[in-house]
Amino acid sequence: NAGVTQTPKFRILKIGQSMTLQCTQDMNHNYMYWYRQDPGMGLKLIYYSVGAGITDKGEVPNGYNVSRSTTEDFPLRLELAAPSQTSVYFCASSHGNIQYFGAGTRLSVL
Amino acid sequence: DQQVKQNSPSLSVQEGRISILNCDYTNSMFDYFLWYKKYPAEGPTFLISISSIKDKNEDGRFTVFLNKSAKHLSLHIVPSQPGDSAVYFCAASAKIAAGNKLTFGGGTRVLVKP
Repeated sequence: NAGVTQTPKFRILKIGQSMTLQCTQDMNHNYMYWYRQDPGMGLKLIYYSVGAGITDKGEVPNGYNVSRSTTEDFPLRLELAAPSQTSVYFCASSHGNIQYFGAGTRLSVL
Repeated sequence: DQQVKQNSPSLSVQEGRISILNCDYTNSMFDYFLWYKKYPAEGPTFLISISSIKDKNEDGRFTVFLNKSAKHLSLHIVPSQPGDSAVYFCAASAKIAAGNKLTFGGGTRVLVKP
């Protein structure tokens, strides 16, 4: 079972560049989430979605955008990368209270 | 404003002994609590959970205790094994919150020495 798949695993961006972090799940979960984890810190929610076509902001949404055109996919877009967005990004999906996470994307903005 | 706190950033324990991880929360609307385990370069994986209607949940070597009056939960691992060396996150959710959102603590790094 693939579960939650994130691509790419690593990326280095220059300040001002844009990119899309991909996330796909094969568990037919309605709920999907994007988190970021900074060194020594817990996970902070960026955006979440309760189903295709429905998204909402989490705790730290500034500088990011999301879309949810299908149940499976929940891409995260960075339009103008800034050094403050250097972090590890995790995508998750859930059915009920338990969230299942991807392996993460490590992003550095230099 | 940290609603979920893990005050011990690290814990070192001898193999075979008990590991006790602690977590405190401030939001009285939280009604479901989870522990996740994370290895380096991997995503968090679900370990064990507890509903606010219970005060204890056990799964093999892992037991979670919930003290609602103190807004405190703990994870006991016994006996601890070297493979338990990881970062453990406490998380909480509120039924009324849209999307089953989780609020995470900052994590506790556990090192189990052989």
